[in-house]
Amino acid sequence: AQKVTQAQTEISVVEKEDVTLDCVYETRDTTYYLFWYKQPPSGELVFLIRRNSFDEQNEISGRYSWNFQKSTSSFNFTITASQVVDSAVYFCALSEARAGGTSYGKLTFGQGTILTVHP
Amino acid sequence: NAGVTQTPKFQVLKTGQSMTLQCAQDMNHEYMSWYRQDPGMGLRLIHYSVGAGITDQGEVPNGYNVSRSTTEDFPLRLLSAAPSQTSVYFCASSYTPTRQGLKAFFGQGTRLTVV
Repeated sequence: AQKVTQAQTEISVVEKEDVTLDCVYETRDTTYYLFWYKQPPSGELVFLIRRNSFDEQNEISGRYSWNFQKSTSSFNFTITASQVVDSAVYFCALSEARAGGTSYGKLTFGQGTILTVHP
Repeated sequence: NAGVTQTPKFQVLKTGQSMTLQCAQDMNHEYMSWYRQDPGMGLRLIHYSVGAGITDQGEVPNGYNVSRSTTEDFPLRLLSAAPSQTSVYFCASSYTPTRQGLKAFFGQGTRLTVV
């Protein structure tokens, strides 16, 4: 069975600090996809990134960056120079790819990390 | 193009009452799913569907029924509400473009309180 663990329940930082949210996953599949979602106080889920298991390139998007390491089954998310608007719950998620590349729309989520950025 | 529409946004039920959470998508996606979100537990899969007429159980299916008579609609039924079903419910619609993995679209959520 697949599992996603976000060890940090809550993180509190001061604006402009860098912060890393950890994500460790377990899966028996050789092909899978990893995701990060943001849930701001308004409650909706905002898609941030999707990463394929066969692509270990790190990715940077503005102040956001992701470090994917298959050797340690980790997919960590770093926010550089955090801002108050980054305050949210962040979820890491996993989708396994069956034969033909389909996961039937099923996602396994981590417990979420509550990030609070203080001014 | 509305995406995924969930209704209602908020609902209060008494223990033992039944109700249906509605979910509709206009993107012609084959996959739809329901999740519940509880503090400290992330989102957990309740039921999912891979097409009209085909549904299956997720991680926490007890107390919930689903059906999918059309591609667009995937309602979630609570047969006899219990306080343990107090949660935020999300509906998702998704597809899998070749070698790009899963692309999922979530509704705005339904906050359900059972008293």
